[in-house]
Amino acid sequence: DQQVKQNSPSLSVQEGRISILNCDYTNSMFDYFLWYKKYPAEGPTFLISISSIKDKNEDGRFTVFLNKSAKHLSLHIVPSQPGDSAVYFCAASEAGFQKLVFGTGTRLLVSP
Amino acid sequence: DTAVSQTPKYLVTQMGNDKSIKCEQNLGHDTMYWYKQDSKKFLKIMFSYNNKELIINETVPNRFSPKSPDKAHLNLHINSLELGDSAVYFCASSQDHSNQPQHFGDGTRLSIL
Repeated sequence: DQQVKQNSPSLSVQEGRISILNCDYTNSMFDYFLWYKKYPAEGPTFLISISSIKDKNEDGRFTVFLNKSAKHLSLHIVPSQPGDSAVYFCAASEAGFQKLVFGTGTRLLVSP
Repeated sequence: DTAVSQTPKYLVTQMGNDKSIKCEQNLGHDTMYWYKQDSKKFLKIMFSYNNKELIINETVPNRFSPKSPDKAHLNLHINSLELGDSAVYFCASSQDHSNQPQHFGDGTRLSIL
């Protein structure tokens, strides 16, 4: 029972262009969403989060969009850089309940 | 200066043995977690402690016993190791158990022979 899904296992983008990573969820009780980046042999690193009362949150080159009616969120990286090459995980939790449910990840490759 | 540190990084052992993984955070956080990432790369929560008290226990076999001597430490002890326990185990911490980002250690890769 996969409550958080990242249907694209991989994405390739050229340096300087936009990277768009997508995530879908099925649990309507989720109200806090996060994106993590993971390099090999390291732990996930927190990137950006959004609560269900917002539909957009920006932090530098990273923007997360939330569409509650579609149960969909996306992470935009603009401009993409080779150092952004990593696996990106989407995660979600219910209100006041810190049990993060993770997607299976999307491997992003940004080529020079 | 590592915020969440786990030891050891790699652990190779025989079936049936007992082993422990240690985790320490220097972020002053109240809440700590253990996650398991299996061979299919699913990252799933196992346990959560808030100020040394267990608050999440996700259908984990009782061979797994977390122990929190203080709020900066959450260790994981595993008895009678089985082949299916082979995975990467991640420790994490957050400010408290409300909606706050969790910060992860670099993981412990456990391999059972």
